[in-house]
Amino acid sequence: GNSVTQMEGPVTLSEEAFLTINCTYTATGYPSLFWYVQYPGEGLQLLLKATKADDKGSNKGFEATYRKETTSFHLEKGSVQVSDSAVYFCALRGSARQLTFGSGTQLTVLP
Amino acid sequence: NAGVTQTPKFQVLKTGQSMTLQCAQDMNHNSMYWYRQDPGMGLRLIYYSASEGTTDKGEVPNGYNVSRLNKREFSLRLESAAPSQTSVYFCASKDPGDEQYFGPGTRLTVT
Repeated sequence: GNSVTQMEGPVTLSEEAFLTINCTYTATGYPSLFWYVQYPGEGLQLLLKATKADDKGSNKGFEATYRKETTSFHLEKGSVQVSDSAVYFCALRGSARQLTFGSGTQLTVLP
Repeated sequence: NAGVTQTPKFQVLKTGQSMTLQCAQDMNHNSMYWYRQDPGMGLRLIYYSASEGTTDKGEVPNGYNVSRLNKREFSLRLESAAPSQTSVYFCASKDPGDEQYFGPGTRLTVT
């Protein structure tokens, strides 16, 4: 079946540091890949997505590139802000059209 | 336009009690979902409804029932709550482009 493995947290960074959260996946066929963000006390929001190999999703300074050769979709941001503190989930959508989520990575950014 | 709303926000039950979690969306989406979120495990799909009048089991359906009351509303019922059902429950709806929109969640504790 499909699965998503995410970098274990929590991750603590200083403001303006570079962020990488690793995500790898296992799936048959050609899944679509997503990053969701969950701010404290709220539901998940779609952050970015990529639907085919070599696509780059980007939003709010975050980027992730769909790498089929390494089955990865790592999330990056060049300069994090305190307001980026949240839980980040990597997810895939396979042929059954359902989402499979990773376990989430808690990010805390200190001023 | 409220998006996806869930009630209640918090609930404490004793083992064996029953309750219904309510979810409504005002985006005219056909598909709706119920997930549970447990520490270190990401979100897991309990049930989903591809359209009004249809429901299907997800990854972890045991101990739950659902009702798709109409296009707007999708409720989740626990007939006899167990401590293993202590979790945060999220409802979501999906737009025609396959993007899912999540509600703010219900935090349930079963003692």
